[in-house]
Amino acid sequence: NAGVTQTPKFQVLKTGQSMTLQCAQDMNHNSMYWYRQDPGMGLRLIYYSASEGTTDKGEVPNGYNVSRLNKREFSLRLESAAPSQTSVYFCASSEVPDGNTEAFFGQGTRLTVV
Amino acid sequence: LAKTTQPISMDSYEGQEVNITCSHNNIATNDYITWYQQFPSQGPRFIIQGYKTKVTNEVASLFIPADRKSSTLSLPRVSLSDTAVYYCLVGAKAGNTPLVFGKGTRLSVIA
Repeated sequence: NAGVTQTPKFQVLKTGQSMTLQCAQDMNHNSMYWYRQDPGMGLRLIYYSASEGTTDKGEVPNGYNVSRLNKREFSLRLESAAPSQTSVYFCASSEVPDGNTEAFFGQGTRLTVV
Repeated sequence: LAKTTQPISMDSYEGQEVNITCSHNNIATNDYITWYQQFPSQGPRFIIQGYKTKVTNEVASLFIPADRKSSTLSLPRVSLSDTAVYYCLVGAKAGNTPLVFGKGTRLSVIA
């Protein structure tokens, strides 16, 4: 039982390049989330998906797009990376059908845009 | 989501009990209070969740007064390994509610 798996763990991009961060969970959770965390700061919500087929903007969605591919997978895409997007990105999932909303987080993707 | 306010940082000696208070004056009737712990270079980890009065598990206790406008996370006899950032979240237990984190409280445990 892997929980929440994020790939890649580290990435360096040049300004203007694009990439997709992958996230998969094996806990049958309905809700999935993408956060970014800048050094010494709290987590800021980028996008979330309350269920398969739905996505909603969070606090800082500009410059990102997401896809809820199926119940297990929720990807985050940077179409044209900027240095301001240098951060650690965390994916999380929560809410099994019985209502338990404990959230589980992946290990993070450390992204540097140069 | 109800906005939360926590102290930015706290220091404690090993073996002491630590109480971190969170204010959430605009908490709604169906909102629950949840606390997460985050170690450096890791994602947050669920600690405890409650609705009213007191909840206790093997890690911590959560005290919620009758008006539910605040809550207190209590960590008994902290050790160096409890040094982390602690986040208080308030929101509906299920449904379309996103998990929004504030800045958290940075707890430093000193030997």
